Amino acid sequence: AQSVAQPEDQVNVAEGNPLTVKCTYSVSGNPYLFWYVQYPNRGLQFLLKYITGDNLVKGSYGFEAEFNKSQTSFHLKKPSALVSDSALYFCAVRPSFSGGYQKVTFGTGTKLQVIP
Amino acid sequence: GAVVSQHPSWVICKSGTSVKIECRSLDFQATTMFWYRQFPKQSLMLMATSNEGSKATYEQGVEKDKFLINHASLTLSTLTVTSAHPEDSSFYICSAPWTSGSPETQYFGPGTRLLVL
Repeated sequence: AQSVAQPEDQVNVAEGNPLTVKCTYSVSGNPYLFWYVQYPNRGLQFLLKYITGDNLVKGSYGFEAEFNKSQTSFHLKKPSALVSDSALYFCAVRPSFSGGYQKVTFGTGTKLQVIP
Repeated sequence: GAVVSQHPSWVICKSGTSVKIECRSLDFQATTMFWYRQFPKQSLMLMATSNEGSKATYEQGVEKDKFLINHASLTLSTLTVTSAHPEDSSFYICSAPWTSGSPETQYFGPGTRLLVL
């Protein structure tokens, strides 16, 4: 069974500092990995995804994520945090099998608080 | 990116009544849509997969007679919470996979907050 772990319930970072939101995964075969952001009382917004190729993936709003196969991790990063980045972040994984839609599993979410 | 809408955005109802939530893909067709439930400070729980032209596939532990799903067209799926009770109060979110590019990426609706009194 596939799974996603987001070990931190909350991450606090000062505005302007770099931020990291951690994610590790378990899946059969090669993974497809995703990051989503959720603002209060809203649905999830897609940030970025890893399919194959470069381990560093760049996404929306200046976010990027680094895929590390040996550590089965896909940490979300941003060089300089903004107060408006404060939200709930979800990591998700699905297997890369072809043929039909593959179920996506979400982590429990990490609340990012950027302090002015 | 793709746009998914939900209606209503929030609803308050009395216990015992039924509530219908609509999920629409606005600028793309979706043969498959997904319904999630999210409790406060928790992750998304997949309830069911809605399939256009066929029956929905429910996850283990989800009562299909209570959460009726109808995928009426390639752009519309509805979730009806029948005989709602206070424990059904939650945030319900739908998503649809947009297959432009591989792999498909799920795009989410804004969610529907349900409060059952």
